[in-house]
Amino acid sequence: EDKVVQSPLSLVVHEGDTVTLNCSYEVTNFRSLLWYKQEKKAPTFLFMLTSSGIEKKSGRLSSILDKKELFSILNITATQTGDSAVYLCVHQGGSEKLVFGKGTKLTVNP
Amino acid sequence: DGGITQSPKYLFRKEGQNVTLSCEQNLNHDAMYWYRQDPGQGLRLIYYSQIVNDFQKGDIAEGYSVSREKKESFPLTVTSAQKNPTAFYLCASSISPTSTDTQYFGPGTRLTVL
Repeated sequence: EDKVVQSPLSLVVHEGDTVTLNCSYEVTNFRSLLWYKQEKKAPTFLFMLTSSGIEKKSGRLSSILDKKELFSILNITATQTGDSAVYLCVHQGGSEKLVFGKGTKLTVNP
Repeated sequence: DGGITQSPKYLFRKEGQNVTLSCEQNLNHDAMYWYRQDPGQGLRLIYYSQIVNDFQKGDIAEGYSVSREKKESFPLTVTSAQKNPTAFYLCASSISPTSTDTQYFGPGTRLTVL
């Protein structure tokens, strides 16, 4: 059974800190790994990772995939209170099946 | 077992026809969502509903319509006005729209317009 495991499940930091969110996966037919930010409503798409070792960057957020070690990390530098959210790691397999991690709840305190 | 069901799994339609995708959940969730996924892209929000008889447009609502007459059901109609309807459609639900609860997704419906 495919699975995605995120860690930590919860994280509390202060503004300005740098955080690293982890996502490991065990899947039978890897296609892509997605990161989402979920606030009060629907999740917002952040990154799609398909190739190993290529960092994707958007402002203070960046993510990279290691297909050999089967994990991905999401980095957020100089965190702000607006970064508080649940960050979802999602695997999309070849059959369009989405496998979700439980999410990491990030709280950034002022 | 609790969960979200979508039907049909595969759907074909001719250009100019409206088609309705079903989404049902028995999780007693208040909030429900419809997403569209195209190759190489992440999920894009079409419509969402926070409570029965209420719904809001998402990022790409043009050419779609929804209804939320019952808590457990949130059907999506793809109208002939939708220019590029061929896609994979995902329905999701969450306990409450005001929390950061994880959304639970259905298995999806793949719509192909011929």
